[in-house]
Formats: sequence, structure tokens, C-alpha cells
Amino acid sequence: EIVLTQSPVTLSLSPGERATLSCRASQSISSYLAWYQQKPGQAPRLLIYDASNRATGIPARFSGSGSGTDFTLTISSLEPEDYAVYYCQQCSNWPLLFGQGTRLEIK
Amino acid sequence: EVQLVESGGGMVQPGRSLRLSCAASGITFGDYAMHWVRQAPGKGLEWVSSIRWNSGNMGYADSVKGRFTISRDNAKNSLYLQMNSLRPEDTALYYCAKDLGFGSGTYNAFDIWGQGTMVTVSS
Repeated sequence: EIVLTQSPVTLSLSPGERATLSCRASQSISSYLAWYQQKPGQAPRLLIYDASNRATGIPARFSGSGSGTDFTLTISSLEPEDYAVYYCQQCSNWPLLFGQGTRLEIK
Repeated sequence: EVQLVESGGGMVQPGRSLRLSCAASGITFGDYAMHWVRQAPGKGLEWVSSIRWNSGNMGYADSVKGRFTISRDNAKNSLYLQMNSLRPEDTALYYCAKDLGFGSGTYNAFDIWGQGTMVTVSS
């Protein structure tokens, strides 16, 4: 099965800064990767699919890149509402595993 | 407005069974693959199971294979998860989620989520 490893585990940044979150797959998944945001007490929200396509209603400050085994989620300028846990998920084939998550916290 | 509402969770003893339901509204339910994802308290997300739009194919996580069964009734706009031989490690909030894709164009990405139903397995 394909294992996803996210880094860093925790990222501390100030509003207005740029956030770069990484997700590495144990084998190539082409561009079959999604990113989700989850805030406390809420269901996850789809941000990015197919590695680089923003989901409906997602602000342009969120962008995704990468293919093969290395992927990146970038938030160009952090807003207060962006502090949350972020998960990547491989969409290539079953089992549809998630990464362990990156917690983005206010510095 | 697209909405998914889960039900059927609760507290159950190890070895017993539960059946979760997910009622969909605001979409043509039969056009989409559907999924179950769970989250243990304080932990990350774990994919549990998926079913294609026409029930033609189902997939399961190794941790639930042989114990859980996913099904759907497109006429009732409903998704189900039959959970047998429950274990304490099955304790989690169970979400149903809609696939981003349409018909056979499954993305295996989840664009609409319910609020979840809590399952607690404890003696």
C-alpha cells in the first residue's frame, strides 16, 4: 500500500507569512493527490484535488504542486482562518490512505 | 444545498454490531461514488470504505475487511455501513463523504462531508 508522510508535523507561522506543507508518497501516485483542511469540531474540507486543482470556493492563496512522489501545499499569505490541520490523501487506488497531518499554528 | 447526514452511531460492547446510515439531499445520489472515513478521538483521518455509483465495486481498509460491509440504496438516497465484530479500536467519528467525480469518473477525493456519527466500542 501507498504510505504518505507529511512534514513538518507542526508549523508555526505568523499571519501574512507564506506556508509550505510537504507530502511524500512511498511510491509514485502520478498527480492523484488531494489536500484537506480540518478545523476543530468540523468535518474536513477539500482544498486541492489532482495535486494542483483548487476545489470549488477555495481562495486563490491556496495552491498545490507536485507529481510522482513529492507534493506541496502552499498558502501564499496566511489569514487568521487558515490555522488548522492539513491532510494529504492519495487518490490513486484503494486503500485511499491519508497522511498523518500537519498542524498549522499561530506563531 | 448539498447535505449528508449520518446516523446510527452509539455505544456498543466489543463483538457487537452497528449499522450506520447516511442520508443525502441536494444531489442526484446515484450519480456519485460514496465513501466512509473515520477519525478516532484526537487522531487523524482514516479511510474506511468506498462504493461505486452503481454498487459495481467496493473497497475496504485492511483494518475493517471481513467485518464491515458498505452498501447503498440509490432509490432512497442512502449509504450504509454494516459494522460487525466491533473492536475498541473501531471507536471513532464516522463520516460519510461524496466523491468529487461523476458516474464512472471517480476521483477518490471527497468534496462533501457529513458532520459524522460517533461510534464508541467499550465494555
